[in-house]
Amino acid sequence: DAGVIQSPRHEVTEMGQEVTLRCKPISGHDYLFWYRQTMMRGLELLIYFNNNVPIDDSGMPEDRFSAKMPNASFSTLKIQPSEPRDSAVYFCASSRDRGLGGYTFGSGTRLTVV
Amino acid sequence: QKEVEQDPGPLSVPEGAIVSLNCTYSNSAFQYFMWYRQYSRKGPELLMYTYSSGNKEDGRFTAQVDKSSKYISLFIRDSQPSDSATYLCAMQAAGNKLTFGGGTRVLVKP
Repeated sequence: DAGVIQSPRHEVTEMGQEVTLRCKPISGHDYLFWYRQTMMRGLELLIYFNNNVPIDDSGMPEDRFSAKMPNASFSTLKIQPSEPRDSAVYFCASSRDRGLGGYTFGSGTRLTVV
Repeated sequence: QKEVEQDPGPLSVPEGAIVSLNCTYSNSAFQYFMWYRQYSRKGPELLMYTYSSGNKEDGRFTAQVDKSSKYISLFIRDSQPSDSATYLCAMQAAGNKLTFGGGTRVLVKP
C-alpha cells in the first residue's frame, strides 16, 4: 500500500497563475478530504468527497478554489487565479467508514505564490 | 471560541521525561477522539484512537478521554528525541468530519 499520494511536493508560482494539485487516495477508501494548513489557522478542511461526489465544500475559501474527483483514484484541487495568501501546505487525506478510525494523510503539497 | 482548544507550545522536555498533552472541546456530540503526530514537512499520522470516555494504552502512549469535563489527554512515557513533533488532537461526532485542534509542538532534548 503506497498510501495517499500527492503531487507535486512543492509548487512555486506567480500571482495570477493557475495551480493544480493532485491526489491519489488509498484504494478502497471511499472518502477523500482536502485540507489546508498554515501557521495561523492550523488545519482547515476545504472540501470532502464520498464515492466521488462532493459532500461539503463549505470550507472552500472562495470561487477561485475548485475541486474535482472524476474517479475513485484521482482528485484535483485547482486555484485560479492564485494569490499570495493562498501560500500554505495542502493535504489530501482518505478514509473509509465515514472516517471512523481516522484519516490517512498524504505528504502534502507546499504551495508558494509570489 | 474554537470548538477544540489546544495549547500550541512549544513543550520542551528532557529525554526520558513524561510528555503530557491535552485538548478541551465544547461540542458534546463528539464521540471519537484521536491523536495525530506530525513531523516537520510531513502529513499527520494517526497515533491513537479512542471511542467515548476511558483510557487506551499503546506501548509508551496513553490516551485518556473525560467526556464529562470535555477534556482529552495524551501521555508519552520515556520520551525520546524521535518523539519531537507536533501533536494534534482530533474529534468526531458520528458520521461527521474530523475537527482538529491547532497542535502542540513538542521538543524532546537528548
